Amino acid sequence: DGGITQSPKYLFRKEGQNVTLSCEQNLNHDAMYWYRQDPGQGLRLIYYSQIVNDFQKGDIAEGYSVSREKKESFPLTVTSAQKNPTAFYLCASSIVAGGASDTQYFGPGTRLTVL
Amino acid sequence: GQNIDQPTEMTATEGAIVQINCTYQTSGFNGLFWYQQHAGEAPTFLSYNVLDGLEEKGRFSSFLSRSKGYSYLLLKELQMKDSASYLCAVNSGYSTLTFGKGTMLLVSP
Repeated sequence: DGGITQSPKYLFRKEGQNVTLSCEQNLNHDAMYWYRQDPGQGLRLIYYSQIVNDFQKGDIAEGYSVSREKKESFPLTVTSAQKNPTAFYLCASSIVAGGASDTQYFGPGTRLTVL
Repeated sequence: GQNIDQPTEMTATEGAIVQINCTYQTSGFNGLFWYQQHAGEAPTFLSYNVLDGLEEKGRFSSFLSRSKGYSYLLLKELQMKDSASYLCAVNSGYSTLTFGKGTMLLVSP
């Protein structure tokens, strides 16, 4: 089955620790995205990547880092510099980035709680 | 800047019709998407509009007016499982989408 997987579904970390969220896709999509969702808020873009070994900052990149070493994988690291890391994190992918009809498909999400 | 507005919440009765509106002011326009998101789950794609007019897909239809910066999602024959958040998102010509805050729809028996 083709799709996007994120693991784990729930993640707990102590304040001050870095944590890496996994995102893998087997859809052969070039573009991948990370969003953050808070209660009552829309999806806010953290980082995106249009191609392997390249990525761009989104609207709220501060305190986060990413890598894109393989087409299938786009891990997100939440660093201790992120002031309010507790949130629901969603990964998405699309065939290409910016194509007019290019639909983004989402993984199941990781709910991160920092204690 | 980019601005997308949707009502925060709506309620409707099973079997009824509901219209969820979305207005946008963006620096460019290259298409508008609607997604459905159940609580704690991933958004799922519902529809895409880039030309003016109505696109129908079963019980769901989506309308776009580019001159007015306006779209709506129409849900017919509402079912309890339609209780969810509905997200409007605009491709403003860059490589990314800008999302509204979503409209929480509650369908009651």
